[in-house]
Amino acid sequence: AQSVTQLGSHVSVSEGALVLLRCNYSSSVPPYLFWYVQYPNQGLQLLLKYTSAATLVKGINGFEAEFKKSETSFHLTKPSAHMSDAAEYFCAVRGYSGGYQKVTFGTGTKLQVIP
Amino acid sequence: NAGVMQNPRHLVRRRGQEARLRCSPMKGHSHVYWYRQLPEEGLKFMVYLQKENIIDESGMPKERFSAEFPKEGPSILRIQQVVRGDSAAYFCASSPPLNTEAFFGQGTRLTVV
Repeated sequence: AQSVTQLGSHVSVSEGALVLLRCNYSSSVPPYLFWYVQYPNQGLQLLLKYTSAATLVKGINGFEAEFKKSETSFHLTKPSAHMSDAAEYFCAVRGYSGGYQKVTFGTGTKLQVIP
Repeated sequence: NAGVMQNPRHLVRRRGQEARLRCSPMKGHSHVYWYRQLPEEGLKFMVYLQKENIIDESGMPKERFSAEFPKEGPSILRIQQVVRGDSAAYFCASSPPLNTEAFFGQGTRLTVV
């Protein structure tokens, strides 16, 4: 069965500092991996996705993530945090589980940006 | 191409009433997922449907909850005899059949009073 683990339910960074949100996955087949962002009282918006092309994926708002198969990781980074980055971030994996495709989400990481 | 449409955005029900949450997937999308998000908790998978079929309902409570995705019309998540613990945000996502991302609706926030 596939699964996603997000380390740290809450992360705080200073404005201008590096953002690093961790995601590890397990999947029996090469996965498709995603990061979503959720602003308060909103739905989820896709930040970026890995679909077996380049291992370093660039997304919107200056975010990027690197797929590392050996570490089964897909950590999300941004060089310089902005106040508007404060939100909840979800890592997700899409792959075959039980004979059909399924999307599984991590429990989310809330990012706080301190002025 | 309109996005995933969920309605209503906000729903208030008294204990014991029924709640019906609707999700219209994006055009061309035949896969629908329902998730529940409780305050301060992550997204919990509830059910995965394709047109006229329930593929995986392992996240659905055994009682009071049901979901459908008919050949025509939106997907419906139905909660019978709601209780206060059902208060949450319910999100629907849709995707096409192949390996692409799921697109989310804005959610329905259910409040049981």
